[in-house]
Amino acid sequence: GAVVSQHPSWVICKSGTSVKIECRSLDFQATTMFWYRQFPKQSLMLMATSNEGSKATYEQGVEKDKFLINHASLTLSTLTVTSAHPEDSSFYICSARVGTDPHEQYFGPGTRLTVT
Amino acid sequence: GQSLEQPSEVTAVEGAIVQINCTYQTSGFYGLSWYQQHDGGAPTFLSYNGLDGLEETGRFSSFLSRSDSYGYLLLQELQMKDSASYFCAVRDWDRDDKIIFGKGTRLHILP
Repeated sequence: GAVVSQHPSWVICKSGTSVKIECRSLDFQATTMFWYRQFPKQSLMLMATSNEGSKATYEQGVEKDKFLINHASLTLSTLTVTSAHPEDSSFYICSARVGTDPHEQYFGPGTRLTVT
Repeated sequence: GQSLEQPSEVTAVEGAIVQINCTYQTSGFYGLSWYQQHDGGAPTFLSYNGLDGLEETGRFSSFLSRSDSYGYLLLQELQMKDSASYFCAVRDWDRDDKIIFGKGTRLHILP
């Protein structure tokens, strides 16, 4: 089956630093990748949608200058949290879509970010 | 805008049947999906209803009524490993087919 990986699986950083999270589709090419954020015991909130070679589309309320998304290839998207603050501590999950069928959207294992 | 409503928590006994309801409001409905998420893990796809009716996959079934903007997930023969959060989600063609999640239902299973 289709596999999506994320790296790192968890990261602790100091306030004010930047953190990059990678999302890779391992055995398929993803036309679109999505980034979600999930706070404890809450739902997944869509942050942005990225298509290879084009600028990401951010959801309302998400700061594009703070959450930089780069979709360099059909198998790799990165999310960089710039100037991280403790309130950015969350579970970040990416997903990759192959086609248009909902069965064809696969989620990564998530990255736990803790900002101290 | 969009909204999905589902109960925040449900408790059931091992071996029993439980139903998790979901009502939705969206501008461009394309279909209703269900995902399971264990603590600390990623969501895993369970089922999808694009048309009215019941879809069955093993112990899990999902139902959709588009006229009522309502669906449910039915879990039978509950096992302890089914303790997790369950999210209904909609695909909204008015929002580029993005999958938008409900707030999730935490399922507690008692032995």
